[in-house]
Amino acid sequence: GQQVMQIPQYQHVQEGEDFTTYCNSSTTLSNIQWYKQRPGGHPVFLIQLVKSGEVKKQKRLTFQFGEAKKNSSLHITATQTTDVGTYFCARNTDKLIFGTGTRLQVFP
Amino acid sequence: NAGVTQTPKFQVLKTGQSMTLQCAQDMNHEYMSWYRQDPGMGLRLIHYSVGAGITDQGEVPNGYNVSRSTTEDFPLRLLSAAPSQTSVYFCASSYSERAAEQYFGPGTRLTVT
Repeated sequence: GQQVMQIPQYQHVQEGEDFTTYCNSSTTLSNIQWYKQRPGGHPVFLIQLVKSGEVKKQKRLTFQFGEAKKNSSLHITATQTTDVGTYFCARNTDKLIFGTGTRLQVFP
Repeated sequence: NAGVTQTPKFQVLKTGQSMTLQCAQDMNHEYMSWYRQDPGMGLRLIHYSVGAGITDQGEVPNGYNVSRSTTEDFPLRLLSAAPSQTSVYFCASSYSERAAEQYFGPGTRLTVT
């Protein structure tokens, strides 16, 4: 299938440090979605990117869609303990296929 | 408005037993899907439905059956449970297959011994 790979698999940061997770596809994506899953919880939709080179911000979170629409990134500025969880990207055609996720741990 | 509900929350089965995981949504969503989540594997799509009477296979459909007789309900059936089906199962729904936001249920944690 058309895989969507995410790196890194895990990231441990000190509170206040920045964090970035990357999503890469071997094929051009029509769009990319991002979800957050808290420990023990279910995935919650964060955002969808559609346009080449698109950048969207949600408070401390910055989402980018690559110019070639084959990669995307999520950057968190000045992490907080509430950012702990697993962040997934997902490609949406006629069905939603998830990347492998990046688990973020934030130490106070 | 309850959103997406799943029952049961936890289940233990013996190998070879069958069971149905229930999923319901009250948002009049056309698109519904089932995922399984295993450690380090992310979420993998099992089956999905774009509307009542229409279902299709996802990435890992073997060992599972679905049907969609109503817009609200999308049950997942395990025909003969195997230890490899031990996982957390999530149901999700959205307005359409192209809709931006998928709403997930709280999940069912299944253990097969």
